[in-house]
Amino acid sequence: EVQLLESGGALVQPGVSLRLSCAASGFILRSYAMSWVRQAPGKGLEWVSTSGSGGTTYYADSVRGRFIISRDNSKNTLDLQMSSLRVDDTAIYYCAKVVGHAFEIWGQGTKVTVSS
Amino acid sequence: EIVLTQSPGTLSLSPGERATLSCRATQSVSGNYLAWYQQKPGQAPRLLIYGASIRATGIPDRFSGSGSGTDFTLTISRLEPEDFAVYYCQQYGSSLVMYTFGQGTKLEIK
Repeated sequence: EVQLLESGGALVQPGVSLRLSCAASGFILRSYAMSWVRQAPGKGLEWVSTSGSGGTTYYADSVRGRFIISRDNSKNTLDLQMSSLRVDDTAIYYCAKVVGHAFEIWGQGTKVTVSS
Repeated sequence: EIVLTQSPGTLSLSPGERATLSCRATQSVSGNYLAWYQQKPGQAPRLLIYGASIRATGIPDRFSGSGSGTDFTLTISRLEPEDFAVYYCQQYGSSLVMYTFGQGTKLEIK
């Protein structure tokens, strides 16, 4: 069964760093583009970042320069290193497998709260 | 950046009725890379439709997608109780802003 399991979410203060991880099972991660999508409390969905299967990375304007997406194909994991966190980064962060430029499979999400 | 506007914001219907949800883009969506998702409270979104009209694996055939260019529609032919949820459209663009979502349509029981 294809599954994604995120971890690493926490309550942190503004300005600190946090690393999220997504463990993939049931498929070979290196064959697919993978993304992070977030959802602020009570709000809609916002694309954050994508790691192409060839290694190219893409970022939303709101996180470019602060977040870094990476993958460890040997471990079948996708990471999101977040730095200089802001209150408006508070959200549930989902990792997703990309197929046909759509988010085919989603994890259950990990909650990040940035508050002083 | 392409902006997606979904309408209506809330749709109140009864089980058995037909639902028509709209998604309009500010520019033509390249390659018809338009997808639809369903999200229930406390759950992750679920892919329903991609490529504007292709049903994802396991999605019942009462869900259908149509449209091209800037106007897209998700139709649920006969609403089941489990269909009441929030629906999002999403497009892929080849610019630096790769993916954008609409603001969502809440489908509620009348």
